[in-house]
Amino acid sequence: EPEVTQTPSHQVTQMGQEVILRCVPISNHLYFYWYRQILGQKVEFLVSFYNNEISEKSEIFDDQFSVERPDGSNFTLKIRSTKLEDSAMYFCASSSAGGNYNEQFFGPGTRLTVL
Amino acid sequence: AQSVTQLDSHVSVSEGTPVLLRCNYSSSYSPSLFWYVQHPNKGLQLLLKYTSAATLVKGINGFEAEFKKSETSFHLTKPSAHMSDAAEYFCVVNQGGGFKTIFGAGTRLFVKA
Repeated sequence: EPEVTQTPSHQVTQMGQEVILRCVPISNHLYFYWYRQILGQKVEFLVSFYNNEISEKSEIFDDQFSVERPDGSNFTLKIRSTKLEDSAMYFCASSSAGGNYNEQFFGPGTRLTVL
Repeated sequence: AQSVTQLDSHVSVSEGTPVLLRCNYSSSYSPSLFWYVQHPNKGLQLLLKYTSAATLVKGINGFEAEFKKSETSFHLTKPSAHMSDAAEYFCVVNQGGGFKTIFGAGTRLFVKA
């Protein structure tokens, strides 16, 4: 059964450093998403991506964040200069179609720890 | 604004007894609603989804949920809990017409032998 994969499973970084979180969506999917879950808090939407551009983004997704699909298979989330409050579990998801009725398939997450 | 409230942060049941995980939502649009399960160190797996076709939705592993518009609820049930059902469960509403997906806070289900 196809699944979304994410690497690394755990990333530890120093405050101010750049990190790149990687995701491989399901191969025939066209819509891609990033979410995060700060420990003890809700899962929050960050950004959606379609046709090589951002479709929607939340208030959390400020200039420190960027996404790209560099090679047609990977989907990456970059945090330019990490802050302590960026420590969270980051989930990637993909779906075959957009809109509110379409199931999103989620990866296992990357736990980011900023020291 | 859309929101999702999962009424219990923890639910504990004995193996073989019924499971009820409660979810209430608010939405300006006709909502789409999902239940996801997360086992430790695993991704979020879809259990079932409501897309306006039928109010009683059957999902995987014996779970089902009933959409009740008058009560703005989408509670998840299972007639008989199994040890493997122990996990975190998330109720999710997808805002009509957009990609933003709102998660509930999650309910952790414990199953006692």
